[in-house]
Amino acid sequence: ETGVTQSPTHLIKTRGQQVTLRCSSQSGHNTVSWYQQALGQGPQFIFQYYREEENGRGNFPPRFSGLQFPNYSSELNVNALELDDSALYLCASSLDLPNTEAFFGQGTRLTVV
Amino acid sequence: DAKTTQPNSMESNEEEPVHLPCNHSTISGTDYIHWYRQLPSQGPEYVIHGLTSNVNNRMASLAIAEDRKSSTLILHRATLRDAAVYYCILRTSGTYKYIFGTGTRLKVLA
Repeated sequence: ETGVTQSPTHLIKTRGQQVTLRCSSQSGHNTVSWYQQALGQGPQFIFQYYREEENGRGNFPPRFSGLQFPNYSSELNVNALELDDSALYLCASSLDLPNTEAFFGQGTRLTVV
Repeated sequence: DAKTTQPNSMESNEEEPVHLPCNHSTISGTDYIHWYRQLPSQGPEYVIHGLTSNVNNRMASLAIAEDRKSSTLILHRATLRDAAVYYCILRTSGTYKYIFGTGTRLKVLA
């Protein structure tokens, strides 16, 4: 068990709707990153937050947005859902050091119909 | 972003050692080599990481080539629970994000 919890575990939404996914970080970690994993693919980096500021973003449109709170928990928001947004969404918490490991949550399985 | 290349799949017999290779020819001096594995329906799990020297922990060993352009994850005695997708990732100081490739799907035969 990593100490990183994500909610909900599963979610079904309709195309065009908005969704918020939540992540509770490992205690003491100041960095959280979010990933999208389509079926059969490796996780794709969406963005990263360090001390409540976005400090890195992958190739995702602006309708993917996020927040990091003072307690280092985080949210991923996706607006105007598309069918291709169906995926496993993973969050990972870590320290802001390249020589430390990240801890991943179990993910939220989002299905857009 | 630095990239890694891994074989799509490998097979091993139970109780035998497994060597999972990774090429990272564009690695820079400040990139750490990280390995994660992902079991079905779970998030990635940390395995091991290193910079220049070989590393050992309770899960595995990491052998890093002298020029750092390749590395090998070694599972000393594969078990059925080691069946997973293994990802070799470079983590760069200043960005800290992980760029995943397609990984190696390890199948362990009983």
